[in-house]
Amino acid sequence: ETGVTQTPRHLVMGMTNKKSLKCEQHLGHNAMYWYKQSAKKPLELMFVYNFKEQTENNSVPSRFSPECPNSSHLFLHLHTLQPEDSALYLCASSQDRRVRTQYFGPGTRLTVL
Amino acid sequence: GQQVMQIPQYQHVQEGEDFTTYCNSSTTLSNIQWYKQRPGGHPVFLIQLVKSGEVKKQKRLTFQFGEAKKNSSLHITATQTTDVGTYFCAGDFGNEKLTFGTGTRLTIIP
Repeated sequence: ETGVTQTPRHLVMGMTNKKSLKCEQHLGHNAMYWYKQSAKKPLELMFVYNFKEQTENNSVPSRFSPECPNSSHLFLHLHTLQPEDSALYLCASSQDRRVRTQYFGPGTRLTVL
Repeated sequence: GQQVMQIPQYQHVQEGEDFTTYCNSSTTLSNIQWYKQRPGGHPVFLIQLVKSGEVKKQKRLTFQFGEAKKNSSLHITATQTTDVGTYFCAGDFGNEKLTFGTGTRLTIIP
């Protein structure tokens, strides 16, 4: 299953660091998503991009900044995170916003110290 | 808000026993999807149900969509150790957003 790749797979960062998560999809899809998965909550949708345009931001704190330069790549820029931001960050893609079957990447396990 | 409730949260079964997880929505769904996440893995799409009363089978897995399109179930017959993982439903309310259930974590006792 290499349709959606994510790097890095694991990341440990301090609260003052700046880092970026990268996602790439090789499925020819037009919609890409960022999700947060933590132990005590269900999958939380963070951002949605459709044809490179951000179409949804689910009240995500500004310390998370997404970037979608083209339909195949999605980034999540992180700065001044809090320990409660530690979670598995999953990228997904779908054909477009109407055909929403999600193809997930392996995720980045983020630990904020 | 549009929520999808999923029960049970955890299920421990003896290998060979059956397993069922249920999803319920307070409002009518356009369709519902099911995903499986293995331990340490990521969610993987299993199936989508669209029609009222629809039943689909994948080997030992049986998926049902309620007549009112407000509930769905996943039933596994004669569980095997490879069935271990968390099963999520995801409801599509027709507003271009999937809402995931909280998941049911299945563990198998050999």
